[in-house]
Amino acid sequence: QVQLQQWGAGLLKPSETLSLTCAIYGGSFRGYYWTWVRQPPGKGLEWIGEINHRGSTNYNPSLKSRVTISVDTSKNQLSLNLTSVTAADTAVYYCARYGAWDGVAANDYWGQGTLVTVSS
Amino acid sequence: QSALTQPASVSGSPGQSITISCTGTSSDVGSYNLVSWYQQHPGKAPKLMIYEVSKRPSGVFNRFSGSKSGNTASLTISGLQAEDEADYYCCSYAGSDTWVFGGGTKLTVL
Repeated sequence: QVQLQQWGAGLLKPSETLSLTCAIYGGSFRGYYWTWVRQPPGKGLEWIGEINHRGSTNYNPSLKSRVTISVDTSKNQLSLNLTSVTAADTAVYYCARYGAWDGVAANDYWGQGTLVTVSS
Repeated sequence: QSALTQPASVSGSPGQSITISCTGTSSDVGSYNLVSWYQQHPGKAPKLMIYEVSKRPSGVFNRFSGSKSGNTASLTISGLQAEDEADYYCCSYAGSDTWVFGGGTKLTVL
């Protein structure tokens, strides 16, 4: 059974850099795209970006200038960095697997979510 | 890249059917059969319910179905049950290797 476990700092000050990591257990890391999605409190989901095992990335144009997604294939992990955070970046951040490699062109497995709060 | 448009809320009684719409543009929903639907209970991660417009992942009941016409996709839940009460989000491929979500719909089972 594929499991995604994520962690990272939950409280940041404005202008700091958000850093989250997501580890994949129980399944292959290669062949898939891995996604980051966020959800501000009480609001909807927002696609942040994705990466494959080769490090090929795609980003939301509205966040592209501040976002970096990377992979460590030796650890089956992906990471999210978001620079110069503001209160508007306060959200629950999720990692997810894009399952097209298995014929499911959608995010079929999700992490538990990490609440990141930006406050001075 | 604007969020897809969903009704803020829908409701139905147990046993009834409801439909949630998801309206995009000819650049996203209208151009690709890559629409998915997610169910989210409070405090939980989203769960995939429908992918590629109308396909169900294993383990999802056939009470859930999806369709698309033009720039609008729809999720239909038949035989409503109390546990279906949740938020539902659509998502579509938007071209140029990007994806866009809908604003979400709160389903209330009366």
